Amino acid sequence: GESVGLHLPTLSVQEGDNSIINCAYSNSASDYFIWYKQESGKGPQFIIDIRSNMDKRQGQRVTVLLNKTVKHLSLQIAATQPGDSAVYFCAASPGGAGNMLTFGGGTRLMVKP
Amino acid sequence: NAGVTQTPKFQVLKTGQSMTLQCAQDMNHEYMSWYRQDPGMGLRLIHYSVGAGITDQGEVPNGYNVSRSTTEDFPLRLLSAAPSQTSVYFCASSPGIGELFFGEGSRLTVL
Repeated sequence: GESVGLHLPTLSVQEGDNSIINCAYSNSASDYFIWYKQESGKGPQFIIDIRSNMDKRQGQRVTVLLNKTVKHLSLQIAATQPGDSAVYFCAASPGGAGNMLTFGGGTRLMVKP
Repeated sequence: NAGVTQTPKFQVLKTGQSMTLQCAQDMNHEYMSWYRQDPGMGLRLIHYSVGAGITDQGEVPNGYNVSRSTTEDFPLRLLSAAPSQTSVYFCASSPGIGELFFGEGSRLTVL
């Protein structure tokens, strides 16, 4: 099976700084990875995804990096804003099908004004 | 476009009672799934379905039943609720390849 873990349960950053949230996975057969953002009282929302044939993918103010050698991925948020405060989850899947995602425990990002 | 709709949002049950959490999606997604979320833990997969008439177990299926009679609906049944089933439940759907679309969650407390 797969286990997914985030390195820090809580991350506090200053508004305007860049944030980096890290995640490790265990199953080398995992080939699809996704980051979700969950605000208080709401369901998780898609941020960005990446497949194993890529090392990096960029979105709007977010970048995901994948290192398959050490089974590690990270989410970078540029110019962090108060609206970025939330819990962030990484998830991994062996086949790209959404229903087989294994989620990590989540990192709470707190943005200080 | 409503997306994924879950009802009820809140429910309190006594041990041994039964109930059904409803989930409906209007995106014509084939894949639907149920997760539970407990404090300090990630979402854990309970059951999933790859299409109408097809369901399968996830990581933590014990104590829960599902059925998929239509593409739109994927109800989760608790036949005899236990305090260990106190959790927040999320239903999600997916077109099959790519992201899951989640509902807003159903918070269940079993006394």
